Amino acid sequence: SQQGEEDPQALSIQEGENATMNCSYKTSINNLQWYRQNSGRGLVHLILIRSNEREKHSGRLRVTLDTSKKSSSLLITASRAADTASYFCATVANAGNNRKLIWGLGTSLAVNP
Amino acid sequence: GAGVSQSPSNKVTEKGKDVELRCDPISGHTALYWYRQRLGQGLEFLIYFQGNSAPDKSGLPSDRFSAERTGESVSTLTIQRTQQEDSAVYLCASSLPGTSGGLNTGELFFGEGSRLTVL
Repeated sequence: SQQGEEDPQALSIQEGENATMNCSYKTSINNLQWYRQNSGRGLVHLILIRSNEREKHSGRLRVTLDTSKKSSSLLITASRAADTASYFCATVANAGNNRKLIWGLGTSLAVNP
Repeated sequence: GAGVSQSPSNKVTEKGKDVELRCDPISGHTALYWYRQRLGQGLEFLIYFQGNSAPDKSGLPSDRFSAERTGESVSTLTIQRTQQEDSAVYLCASSLPGTSGGLNTGELFFGEGSRLTVL
């Protein structure tokens, strides 16, 4: 079963604009990860944020985590056509024997030149 | 190798035939995952291997699906008597051991997937 839920499901913006995607989850987590998937390809890890962190940056990416709301957001600034892809969040649970990531259904981002 | 390698990249088969998909993880990665991804959908967990521990098979959808892993190297996913609903991309990922109580908490490295089409 999927725990993470991304929204929006699809997002279309113009090159140069910022793109914001959100992810919500249900259980207590150890960390939350964002991945990108280009059409027909495998997933590529973008950024990992731990449960005791609130914000993290990597290049044009900014991730926030609000554990009280059980949500995270991924911001891509100054978007480029090459950012067109699907973006997935995945969580690692904090308790029990959950040894696998729980995946959201993804946000499909289209950046128009 | 430099990354996770999967083969074949594409497989077209007839309904009822058996197929075998192969995954070569990154050397030293003790954790290995298989996922299924239907067109336009998210990732569906199938099976997880961690070192010499018993695999977590809780995601396998039916007894037609099975997977093996030799030590900490190659894994094969076998689908017997394929059905049209098995058509999907099968993704393999590997990761380093976890650092938090044995949990794998680090990033996953994915292969490019094996696209299976059952006619």
